[in-house]
Formats: sequence, C-alpha cells, structure tokens
Amino acid sequence: AQRVTQPEKLLSVFKGAPVELKCNYSYSGSPELFWYVQYSRQRLQLLLRHISRESIKGFTADLNKGETSFHLKKPFAQEEDSAMYYCALSGRTGGSYIPTFGRGTSLIVHP
Amino acid sequence: ETGVTQTPRHLVMGMTNKKSLKCEQHLGHNAMYWYKQSAKKPLELMFVYSLEERVENNSVPSRFSPECPNSSHLFLHLHTLQPEDSALYLCASSQNLAGRDTQYFGPGTRLTVL
Repeated sequence: AQRVTQPEKLLSVFKGAPVELKCNYSYSGSPELFWYVQYSRQRLQLLLRHISRESIKGFTADLNKGETSFHLKKPFAQEEDSAMYYCALSGRTGGSYIPTFGRGTSLIVHP
Repeated sequence: ETGVTQTPRHLVMGMTNKKSLKCEQHLGHNAMYWYKQSAKKPLELMFVYSLEERVENNSVPSRFSPECPNSSHLFLHLHTLQPEDSALYLCASSQNLAGRDTQYFGPGTRLTVL
C-alpha cells in the first residue's frame, strides 16, 4: 500500500525566513511525487513535480529515496506563500497509477 | 469556460433528498476523479475513471454513485446522505492515468447535509 505522511499540520514563519515542509512516503516501487498548493479562495493546483526538477516560485523539492522523503523548501518565505500545501504520490495499482495525498500542511508567513 | 468546472458550487440537502454533482473538463483529458475534502480528514480519493471506465472505488458507501457518460463529464449522484457526508467535493482530471500526469482540479462543491 502507498502512503504519504506530512507530519506538520501547521507551519508558521516570518517573512524572509527559510521554509521546509516535510513529506515522507511509503511505496515499494519507483514513485512519482508532486507538491500541490491551495491558496485562499483558489482551487488546488500543481506547484511542482519531482520529475521536472524545476524551481517554481522559489520552491524546490528533492526526492531522497534513501530517506523516502520529498521535502519542499524555499530559502526566503514571502507573505504570498501562505497557503495549504499537499504532497502527493502516484503509485501503480494494476495497470493504472492511482494518486495518494498527504493530509496537508498549512503554511502561514507573517509580515 | 476553460479547465475543470463544477456545479453547483454550494448545495444544501436533507438526508432523504436525491441530488447530483456535475463536473466537466474542457482539457481533452481521459481520466477523471472525485475527491472528498473535509476539515477532519486528508483529501480522500473516492472514484477514478479512465476512458469512462471506473478503475478505482475507494470503499465509498453506496449512497454515493458515480457516473461517467463520456470523457468530459463526471457526475456524483447522492441519495440518503448522512450529516457526516458534509464536505467539499472536488473533481479533477488528468491526461491519462500515467504516473507523471498532473491533476487539474475544479473549484469544488460545498455540500451540507442537514
């Protein structure tokens, strides 16, 4: 069975501080991992995918297979980063890939 | 309207009512999903459809009945719901059910069961 764990329900930081949102996963195969974000009054949307190895809005995430982690990081948080962040894993079940989401971490960036 | 749309945006119903939620995607995708998002639980995957065939039913009670008449439309038929079914119901779509496919979400339907 596949599982995604986001240990922090809430993360509160000040503007300009570094941010790390933790994500650990459990999956026997080679995972496809994502970070989705939901800003206030907006729909859930993709932030970044591990396969793309890109930086979006200053955020990066590195897949660590040894630690089965995919933590989301940003060196200097901005107020507009305040949102709900979900880590997701897409794992193979039969002939299809089925997504599993973590419980989400609410990030609050104070001025 | 582009992307994924959901109607209605808000719904209040009694436990004996029958109602339906509608989702439509304008992205040419082949896979569609229903999720339940409530305050006390993480995002819960309910159903997955690929090319109008149901490929996942995540132990959802039978009072929720999905329907996918074509690859652009997805319905969730509701009957004899319970107050604990009150939640935000999200629809999503993806190109296929490939591991790397991004999901595109609708705005959700806020359901209240009295």
